Amino acid sequence: DTAVSQTPKYLVTQMGNDKSIKCEQNLGHDTMYWYKQDSKKFLKIMFSYNNKELIINETVPNRFSPKSPDKAHLNLHINSLELGDSAVYFCASSRTWTENNEQFFGPGTRLTVL
Amino acid sequence: ILNVEQSPQSLHVQEGDSTNFTCSFPSSNFYALHWYRWETAKSPEALFVMTLNGDEKKKGRISATLNTKEGYSYLYIKGSQPEDSATYLCARPSGAGSYQLTFGKGTKLSVIP
Repeated sequence: DTAVSQTPKYLVTQMGNDKSIKCEQNLGHDTMYWYKQDSKKFLKIMFSYNNKELIINETVPNRFSPKSPDKAHLNLHINSLELGDSAVYFCASSRTWTENNEQFFGPGTRLTVL
Repeated sequence: ILNVEQSPQSLHVQEGDSTNFTCSFPSSNFYALHWYRWETAKSPEALFVMTLNGDEKKKGRISATLNTKEGYSYLYIKGSQPEDSATYLCARPSGAGSYQLTFGKGTKLSVIP
């Protein structure tokens, strides 16, 4: 059973398009996250979401928006895609929203913007 | 130290050798320190979450220590095996009650058979 799943695994699209990446966790966790792995392979937090409270990393453009239909899902929607958005995006979850909870990561979605 | 720093950036060891690497972080306002193991083409997996100064944790041949007063953590691997080849990341929460992690750039370990 996959604990944290993401779809699609690969996404190739044209500049200017709008796209979504889906994330689901079956762990019963309260908190979910989106990370971006940049070109230098550095993992950076984009969003944290817990019980309808959203924390946004200030460096994330407002073209990126997380949407959570329920506690088990946190989808990432990206408007007006740019070349620089090409990266691997990882979803993660943790049991609660405290500093000592380990995070469980999804397999990643490789986004390529042409 | 402004953030999370890891050294060395990469490391090659022979199978059977023991090795260790370092994670440095600001010693003020310490809340927790996470270690993750990230194999190529897979996703990061949690190894340890450490919260107390002097903490030592162990999982099989991998262990970690924590010194919050001086702001560092060591990860040790005893008798390295090829399957230990991965990037090892450490991360710290940005504040009390914060679940946002700031990751280091990782130490890439390659174990040569």
